[in-house]
Amino acid sequence: SYVLTQPPSVSVAPGETARITCGGNNIGSKSVHWYQQRPGRAPVLVVYDDSDRPSGIPERFSGFNSGNTATLTISRVEAGDEADYYCQVWDTSGDPWVFGGGTKLTVL
Amino acid sequence: QLVESGGGLVQPGGSLRLSCAASGFTFSNYWMSWVRQAPGKGLEWVAKIKQDGNEKYYVKSVKGRFTISRDNAKNSLYLQMNSLRAEDTAVFYCARDCGSTSCFDYWGQGALVTVSS
Repeated sequence: SYVLTQPPSVSVAPGETARITCGGNNIGSKSVHWYQQRPGRAPVLVVYDDSDRPSGIPERFSGFNSGNTATLTISRVEAGDEADYYCQVWDTSGDPWVFGGGTKLTVL
Repeated sequence: QLVESGGGLVQPGGSLRLSCAASGFTFSNYWMSWVRQAPGKGLEWVAKIKQDGNEKYYVKSVKGRFTISRDNAKNSLYLQMNSLRAEDTAVFYCARDCGSTSCFDYWGQGALVTVSS
């Protein structure tokens, strides 16, 4: 089955830029979606189809996908961005809807 | 809005039925899914059902034990869970499929299922 690999943690100071990666074999050929999950809350879709934002999601959230790595970029990081972030794709092998292991973003 | 109910404590080998009440959108127009999260762990897709209920998909680990269903007249999604195991302990989220792509755009608040003797 398809495997998505995320770093367990990323730390960034307020106002800086956070980059969270999601690695997978030829992931650039797939649509990648990103979710934010604050502690004790349900996930929220923040980027879909590699780089599109749902309504209500700030422009500070952006995505890029190419080759074997997709990246979620959060600009001008705020304390409220501290959360777990998950990437997700659809794949035709194994279990179709796959999530990465998640990355905990800490705002220093 | 998606509101789950039916979670609780169940013994290994037991059964439980989760429900998800949908409102604020045309439920019958969307694929729907269940996604779970074990304590302190990541997200795992569990099951998906087509708008008319005629196509269903399951993660390998629950095939033959879990059944997803829906009642469009009641705007409700269900997950019947049988032969429950300790490793099924998780928060179960009801989620709406994005429609034109493979993401999940709305999630319920989750229902905790604990499998323990």
